[in-house]
Amino acid sequence: AQRVTQPEKLLSVFKGAPVELKCNYSYSGSPELFWYVQYSRQRLQLLLRHISRESIKGFTADLNKGETSFHLKKPFAQEEDSAMYYCALFYGGSQGNLIFGKGTKLSVKP
Amino acid sequence: EPEVTQTPSHQVTQMGQEVILRCVPISNHLYFYWYRQILGQKVEFLVSFYNNEISEKSEIFDDQFSVERPDGSNFTLKIRSTKLEDSAMYFCASIGRDSVPGELFFGEGSRLTVL
Repeated sequence: AQRVTQPEKLLSVFKGAPVELKCNYSYSGSPELFWYVQYSRQRLQLLLRHISRESIKGFTADLNKGETSFHLKKPFAQEEDSAMYYCALFYGGSQGNLIFGKGTKLSVKP
Repeated sequence: EPEVTQTPSHQVTQMGQEVILRCVPISNHLYFYWYRQILGQKVEFLVSFYNNEISEKSEIFDDQFSVERPDGSNFTLKIRSTKLEDSAMYFCASIGRDSVPGELFFGEGSRLTVL
């Protein structure tokens, strides 16, 4: 069965420090992975997707099929990055479903 | 920018009562979802809906739950007889035909408190 694991419930760093939010997945097919973010009092929204290999707000994530990982990284954290981050796996084609990890709360201190 | 809207934002109900949570997906979207998040836990998939029928449902989505698209705009989640453990934030999401698969657009959620 498909599963997404985020081992850290909370990650606290100082402004300017590097950040890595870990995500591992389990899926027998070809995975489509995403990072969603939820800022305080805002709705859940897409941050980035592995297929586009883009950098959004300084964040990047590389799919490592060998390690079944999709860690989210940013070299220099900003206070406005403080939020809940959810790794998600989409499966089943265009009518498919999205399942989430438990989420990691990132707190960036001044 | 079009958004998914949900009502009510917060509902308090007595155990055993029926609850209907409403969602208005983005107008040209075709696939609809309900998720829930119990306080302190992860966002869990409940059900997906396409072409006026359920595409997939999770183990959580038992006979107490039902979904409906009664008209061209609303997408509702009904809980027939609420239990204490149904207390959670319920999120509606939608995705369009031309959207990237997996790029769901979420509403702000409806908080359900069962007493």
